[in-house]
Amino acid sequence: AQSVAQPEDQVNVAEGNPLTVKCTYSVSGNPYLFWYVQYPNRGLQFLLKYITGDNLVKGSYGFEAEFNKSQTSFHLKKPSALVSDSALYFCAVRGGGGADGLTFGKGTHLIIQP
Amino acid sequence: EPEVTQTPSHQVTQMGQEVILRCVPISNHLYFYWYRQILGQKVEFLVSFYNNEISEKSEIFDDQFSVERPDGSNFTLKIRSTKLEDSAMYFCASRDTRVTNTEAFFGQGTRLTVV
Repeated sequence: AQSVAQPEDQVNVAEGNPLTVKCTYSVSGNPYLFWYVQYPNRGLQFLLKYITGDNLVKGSYGFEAEFNKSQTSFHLKKPSALVSDSALYFCAVRGGGGADGLTFGKGTHLIIQP
Repeated sequence: EPEVTQTPSHQVTQMGQEVILRCVPISNHLYFYWYRQILGQKVEFLVSFYNNEISEKSEIFDDQFSVERPDGSNFTLKIRSTKLEDSAMYFCASRDTRVTNTEAFFGQGTRLTVV
């Protein structure tokens, strides 16, 4: 069975500083990895994905994520945080073997302090 | 920009009643999904639907749940006899399968409250 771990319930970062939101995964076969963001009372918005190729993927709103196969990690990063980045961030994985549903982590609240 | 739309945004129902949640996926998407998020918990996969049949379902998706694509645009989730523990935010999603490994696009969700 596939799983996703987001070890931090909350991450606090000062505006302008770099941010990292951690994610590790477990899946059989090649992983397809995704980050979604959820603003209050809103749905899930797609940020970026890793399918294959370069380990560093770039996405929306200046976010990027680094795939590390040996550490089974897919950490979300941004060089300079904005207050508007404050939201709930979900890492998700879709595994091989024909499984199509996404398995999500429990989410990390990102709080950017002015 | 095309989006997945869900109605209603909030539904209150009495325990034991049937409820139907509606979704209009992005046109020309062929894979459809339902997920739920119990308050304060993670998003959980319920079911995926392709070519007019269920392609995958989780253990949450028991006989009380069913999905249907009644016409060319709508995709519905029916809960036959609601229980208090069905209270959650339900998200519909769709995916373009003309290109492999695409991301799913999610709707705004329907908050279901069972009383």
